[in-house]
Amino acid sequence: EVQLVESGGGLIQPGGSLRLSCAASGFTVSSKYMSWVRQAPGKGLEWVSLIKSDGSTYYADSVKGRFTISRDNSKNTLYLQMNSLRAEDTAVYYCASPSGIYLYFDYWGQGTLVTVSS
Amino acid sequence: DIQMTQSPSTLSASVGDRVTITCRASQSISIWLAWYQQKPGKAPKLLIYKASSLESGVPSSFSGSGSGTEFTLTISSLQPDDFATYYCQHYNSYPWTFGQGTKVEIK
Repeated sequence: EVQLVESGGGLIQPGGSLRLSCAASGFTVSSKYMSWVRQAPGKGLEWVSLIKSDGSTYYADSVKGRFTISRDNSKNTLYLQMNSLRAEDTAVYYCASPSGIYLYFDYWGQGTLVTVSS
Repeated sequence: DIQMTQSPSTLSASVGDRVTITCRASQSISIWLAWYQQKPGKAPKLLIYKASSLESGVPSSFSGSGSGTEFTLTISSLQPDDFATYYCQHYNSYPWTFGQGTKVEIK
């Protein structure tokens, strides 16, 4: 059974850094496309970042240059390093994965809340 | 970037009603569209992919149609468990964007 479990969220001051983790089970992260999707409080879904199985990475313009997606194959875990955080980055961050190469998301974690505030 | 626009933003309906939600893309996305259902405090759940393919385990009361720039999600007979927010998402090209959501509430 595929399972995604996020962690690492919390309260952080503007300008600070935070690293989110997504522990996967039921499959190997290196073999699949993995993504982060966020949802600001009371708002809609926003795709944030993607890492393909070949290691290529993609970012939304809103986070480009500040966020870095990566994975640790030995830990079967996906990461999102978030730097220079802003108030508008406040959101629940979901780890999500498509079952194949088409980028719709079959599998989702439960989400982790990041609050950027002084 | 391709913009996805859903209508309506909110929909009031009764149990048993037929409900239709529209999603329009700012340029053609062929059939590369997915629909999700989200309930408060929960992760989204995939309902439909490739515009009209029903995800395994999703009730057949849900159906999707469309191609190019206009798509619809239809619930043939609304059930109490269907009151939720629905999102479309294109996966035609980078960046992969969502519609703003349609909240289906009890009338």
